Amino acid sequence: DGGITQSPKYLFRKEGQNVTLSCEQNLNHDAMYWYRQDPGQGLRLIYYSQIVNDFQKGDIAEGYSVSREKKESFPLTVTSAQKNPTAFYLCASSIGFDREQFFGPGTRLTVL
Amino acid sequence: AQSVTQLDSQVPVFEEAPVELRCNYSSSVSVYLFWYVQYPNQGLQLLLKYLSGSTLVKGINGFEAEFNKSQTSFHLRKPSVHISDTAEYFCAVKGQTGANNLFFGTGTRLTVIP
Repeated sequence: DGGITQSPKYLFRKEGQNVTLSCEQNLNHDAMYWYRQDPGQGLRLIYYSQIVNDFQKGDIAEGYSVSREKKESFPLTVTSAQKNPTAFYLCASSIGFDREQFFGPGTRLTVL
Repeated sequence: AQSVTQLDSQVPVFEEAPVELRCNYSSSVSVYLFWYVQYPNQGLQLLLKYLSGSTLVKGINGFEAEFNKSQTSFHLRKPSVHISDTAEYFCAVKGQTGANNLFFGTGTRLTVIP
């Protein structure tokens, strides 16, 4: 089955540690995205990538980093510079940047 | 840039009753519009989309939405809800030109009461 996988589903980290969230898709989509979801705030765009080896900052990129070395993969690193990293993180992909987005199941990150 | 307003953060409704979830948008260019549903601790699933053509759009699970350009609205409706429709619903907008990121509303929590 084609789809988007995110791992792990739940992640706990100590304050000050970097952590990497995985996102993989087998839909052959060119564009991939990372969103952060907080209660009552909807989804906010962290980073997006339209093609391999290229990515752009979204609205709340500070404290995050990404890479896009393969079409299928778009990992997100939450660095120690992110002041409030506890949130639900959603990865999405689309055929092209102007097409509808399909979402993975999400990773809930809790920083202790 | 675009923005979306979902005025109702929570909507309780009895089972088999009709429901309307409101969505208004702001944009200086023509737009594409979407409704997504999110069940607890899951990702978002596309319910329906308006790209062009007929302003009445039908989606999955018996939902439909109507694009009203003059009122800049894209309200979601269902004539008879089920317990399984209890979820969070997000309206989203994307400009057809320019830096066409997808902008989300803050969501409406639909609770169906038995």
